[in-house]
Amino acid sequence: GENVEQHPSTLSVQEGDSAVIKCTYSDSASNYFPWYKQELGKRPQLIIDIRSNVGEKKDQRIAVTLNKTAKHFSLHITETQPEDSAVYFCAASSYNTDKLIFGTGTRLQVFP
Amino acid sequence: SAVISQKPSRDICQRGTSLTIQCQVDSQVTMMFWYRQQPGQSLTLIATANQGSEATYESGFVIDKFPISRPNLTFSTLTVSNMSPEDSSIYLCSVGGGLINEKLFFGSGTQLSVL
Repeated sequence: GENVEQHPSTLSVQEGDSAVIKCTYSDSASNYFPWYKQELGKRPQLIIDIRSNVGEKKDQRIAVTLNKTAKHFSLHITETQPEDSAVYFCAASSYNTDKLIFGTGTRLQVFP
Repeated sequence: SAVISQKPSRDICQRGTSLTIQCQVDSQVTMMFWYRQQPGQSLTLIATANQGSEATYESGFVIDKFPISRPNLTFSTLTVSNMSPEDSSIYLCSVGGGLINEKLFFGSGTQLSVL
């Protein structure tokens, strides 16, 4: 089955800097890759997603890139703000399995 | 996105008892899933709640421990049976996903503590 690895487990940046979180997946049939943000005590919130027919997607300060050959995808946050501090999860699913498998999570801390 | 109501939001239970968690969606959805999030951990899929048939469980999860109902396209329940402290987690229902990779959204979660 699918296995998703996520790095780093923790990330600390200064406000205004960029943050990058990377994930790799094992199932070459995976074709959908969402990212979730989870603030303390709250539910995971979908922040951006990408499908396998696209190499990059951007939404304001957030972007996701996908390298299907290498089976990895990354979340890029530019001009970080303290409110970006949260745990971020990547996930992957395939047309065949119709369920999301999550990475282990990255705790991002943005210091003012 | 659908509005997903989950209750209870939290509960403290005694070892050996059972708790049923309810998930109500404001629109009909094809796929409903139940996830577990242990303290400080990621989200682990327990099962897919299928309307009109038995749930499909992931490796490591069994029906006797986590019976699931899905009586219609807007409602599902997850029961955590014969609880032990190891069952202390957040349980989340989610809707979406599916064969066309619909976006997956989560309910507010149930924080369960077992003493």
